[in-house]
Amino acid sequence: GAVVSQHPSRVICKSGTSVKIECRSLDFQATTMFWYRQFPKQSLMLMATSNEGSKATYEQGVEKDKFLINHASLTLSTLTVTSAHPEDSSFYICSASKSMQPQHFGDGTRLSIL
Amino acid sequence: KNQVEQSPQSLIILEGKNCTLQCNYTVSPFSNLRWYKQDTGRGPVSLTIMTFSENTKSNGRYTATLDADTKQSSLHITASQLSDSASYICVVGSNFGNEKLTFGTGTRLTIIP
Repeated sequence: GAVVSQHPSRVICKSGTSVKIECRSLDFQATTMFWYRQFPKQSLMLMATSNEGSKATYEQGVEKDKFLINHASLTLSTLTVTSAHPEDSSFYICSASKSMQPQHFGDGTRLSIL
Repeated sequence: KNQVEQSPQSLIILEGKNCTLQCNYTVSPFSNLRWYKQDTGRGPVSLTIMTFSENTKSNGRYTATLDADTKQSSLHITASQLSDSASYICVVGSNFGNEKLTFGTGTRLTIIP
């Protein structure tokens, strides 16, 4: 089956630093990648959708300058949380899909900002 | 507004027993309905995916049903095991280009020995 790998699985860093999370589709070419955020006991909330080679489309309320998304190839997308603060602490999950196909999810990144 | 509601919010059952989780949705346009299992601190793992024309799909001890007329789905788990303890999320997909997913808030299932 389709495999999506996310790295790192856990990050702990100081307030003010920037954190990069990678999302890779290992066995298929993902035309579209999605980034979600999940707070404890809540459902996944879509942050942004990115198509390879074009700018990401952000959901309402998500700051594009805060959460930088790059989707430079069909197998890799990155999410950079810039100048992270404690309120950015969350579980970030990516997913990837080929055109017209269901999304496959990564295993998530637990981000903790001290 | 697209919504997916799940019940119950949480459920505790004895190992070996069966259970059924419910999902009601108001999502348009409808493309597909999936059930995911999410272990704590992990990403969602797909259990079943059903399109409009399918009304039941099985994956081992998991059986999902879909009634597109009443916009209801259920996930039945038979002979539960301790490893079934997780959150089960009902997700409805809409659109046929860039897929848009509407997530339920999940049912937290705990299996006790």
